[in-house]
Amino acid sequence: AQTVTQSQPEMSVQEAETVTLSCTYDTSESDYYLFWYKQPPSRQMILVIRQEAYKQQNATENRFSVNFQKAAKSFSLKISDSQLGDAAMYFCALTNRDDKIIFGKGTRLHILP
Amino acid sequence: GAVVSQHPSRVICKSGTSVKIECRSLDFQATTMFWYRQFPKQSLMLMATSNEGSKATYEQGVEKDKFLINHASLTLSTLTVTSAHPEDSSFYICSARIGVLETQYFGPGTRLLVL
Repeated sequence: AQTVTQSQPEMSVQEAETVTLSCTYDTSESDYYLFWYKQPPSRQMILVIRQEAYKQQNATENRFSVNFQKAAKSFSLKISDSQLGDAAMYFCALTNRDDKIIFGKGTRLHILP
Repeated sequence: GAVVSQHPSRVICKSGTSVKIECRSLDFQATTMFWYRQFPKQSLMLMATSNEGSKATYEQGVEKDKFLINHASLTLSTLTVTSAHPEDSSFYICSARIGVLETQYFGPGTRLLVL
């Protein structure tokens, strides 16, 4: 069975600081993708970043980057220079060729002004 | 690009009536669309997967006769909640994907309240 685990239900960070959200996963597949989605109060799910499992290089999107440790099955998200608009629920997710996307339970991120 | 719309954004209905929610991929053709349900402060729960022109695949515990899904074209999928009850009140979200292992793009969601 595939699982995605986010062990931090809530986190807080000071504006302009850096924060890392943790995610571990388990899958027996060799071909899979990992995602971080953001869900702000509007509840619109927004793709933050995507990582193909076959790529060794960590994905980066502006202030967002991941630390993908394939052997450890770890996929953490680092947010640099945190902004008030980053406050949201963040979901780590995994998908492979069986079509489904498996979500973690989410981490609620608070940005302190 | 990759915009998914959902309509209506919120709906209030009486118990026993049926409600239809539309999900459209606006700028791409989606081979697969997904329907999720989300309870407050929880993650998304997959209800069903639908491929254009074929029957939807429902997750265990989801009543296919209650939640009718139609994927009539590569840009439109509908979810009909039949004979709605107050316990069906929830936030329903659709997503669309171009191909296997591709990113899922989500609609803005529909808040359903059954009185």
